[in-house]
Amino acid sequence: AQSVTQPDIHITVSEGASLELRCNYSYGATPYLFWYVQSPGQGLQLLLKYFSGDTLVQGIKGFEAEFKRSQSSFNLRKPSVHWSDAAEYFCAVGLVSGNTPLVFGKGTRLSVIA
Amino acid sequence: DVKVTQSSRYLVKRTGEKVFLECVQDMDHENMFWYRQDPGLGLRLIYFSYDVKMKEKGDIPEGYSVSREKKERFSLILESASTNQTSMYLCASTLTGRRSGNTIYFGEGSWLTVV
Repeated sequence: AQSVTQPDIHITVSEGASLELRCNYSYGATPYLFWYVQSPGQGLQLLLKYFSGDTLVQGIKGFEAEFKRSQSSFNLRKPSVHWSDAAEYFCAVGLVSGNTPLVFGKGTRLSVIA
Repeated sequence: DVKVTQSSRYLVKRTGEKVFLECVQDMDHENMFWYRQDPGLGLRLIYFSYDVKMKEKGDIPEGYSVSREKKERFSLILESASTNQTSMYLCASTLTGRRSGNTIYFGEGSWLTVV
């Protein structure tokens, strides 16, 4: 069965520091990969997605993610974190064929300190 | 932009009440989903629907039912609310097949408290 693991439940970084959130997946087929962000009390907003092609994907708000097939990973990065990035981040995978519901990781909560 | 609207943001219901959570999307999406979100557990799929009058169980359907009478509307029903159903409920929608890239759009969530 497919699964998504976000090993870090909670991460704290200083404003201006770099960020990397980890995501590993287990999937039997070529996956679509996503990162979503959720601000407190809000729904989920799509940050970026990978379907095929260039393994480094650019998203909104200055985020990027790199797909590494050999490591079954899709880590999210940002070179310089802003206080407004404090939120919960979810990695998700889905089948290329579509129609199958996405499988989500349990999320990583990001705190940003001055 | 795709808009997924959950009509009730905050609800407080009593144990045993029947609860309806309504969700409407405005982009003619075939697929609609209901998730439940709890701290430390992430998003768990309750039910989903690929078309009008069709429904499929997700990972945690017990205690819930759904209704999809119109393409744009997907309702989650708690037949007899219990305190362990206190949670944040998220509705989502997407197109079918490769057109969607499986990109899923979420509503802002409904916070349900059962007392």
